[in-house]
Amino acid sequence: AQSVTQPDIHITVSEGASLELRCNYSYGATPYLFWYVQSPGQGLQLLLKYFSGDTLVQGIKGFEAEFKRSQSSFNLRKPSVHWSDAAEYFCAVGASDFGNEKLTFGTGTRLTIIP
Amino acid sequence: DAMVIQNPRYQVTQFGKPVTLSCSQTLNHNVMYWYQQKSSQAPKLLFHYYDKDFNNEADTPDNFQSRRPNTSFCFLDIRSPGLGDAAMYLCATSRDLGGETQYFGPGTRLLVL
Repeated sequence: AQSVTQPDIHITVSEGASLELRCNYSYGATPYLFWYVQSPGQGLQLLLKYFSGDTLVQGIKGFEAEFKRSQSSFNLRKPSVHWSDAAEYFCAVGASDFGNEKLTFGTGTRLTIIP
Repeated sequence: DAMVIQNPRYQVTQFGKPVTLSCSQTLNHNVMYWYQQKSSQAPKLLFHYYDKDFNNEADTPDNFQSRRPNTSFCFLDIRSPGLGDAAMYLCATSRDLGGETQYFGPGTRLLVL
């Protein structure tokens, strides 16, 4: 079975500073990888996804993520955060094997932005 | 815009009183999912429908049921809500299985008194 680890429960970043949120996954085959963002009291919005091909993936709102197979990682980055980026961020791995087609989410990283 | 809609956004029910949450989609996706998300936790998949085929997660309590009368609508029924069922319930859709992107609704927050 697949699993996802987000080692940072809470991160605080100054507005304008760079951001990296960590995600490590465990899955036997080539994974499908996703980053979702959730604002308080809201549903999840897809930021970006990796299926295959170029390992550097561009998403919405200026986010990008890099798939590193050797490290089983899919870290999310943004060069300069804005106050509106404060939210909960979830990494997820999608399984493709028959009978196990579902997303498994990490426990999330809460991002706080300070002036 | 094509979207996933959940009603109501907030639902208050009494301990043991059946409650139904609603989800509709205009994406014409084959798959619809229900997740439970408790405070500060990851969404947890309860079950999903692939077209009319129902797939229950092994650890989903019997207290939770679902119906999908047509492609567009899916309902989550909680037969006898307990205090531990208070959570955000998220509906999602995807075109297909196998790692396809899931599109989420805004969620329904359930409060059990």
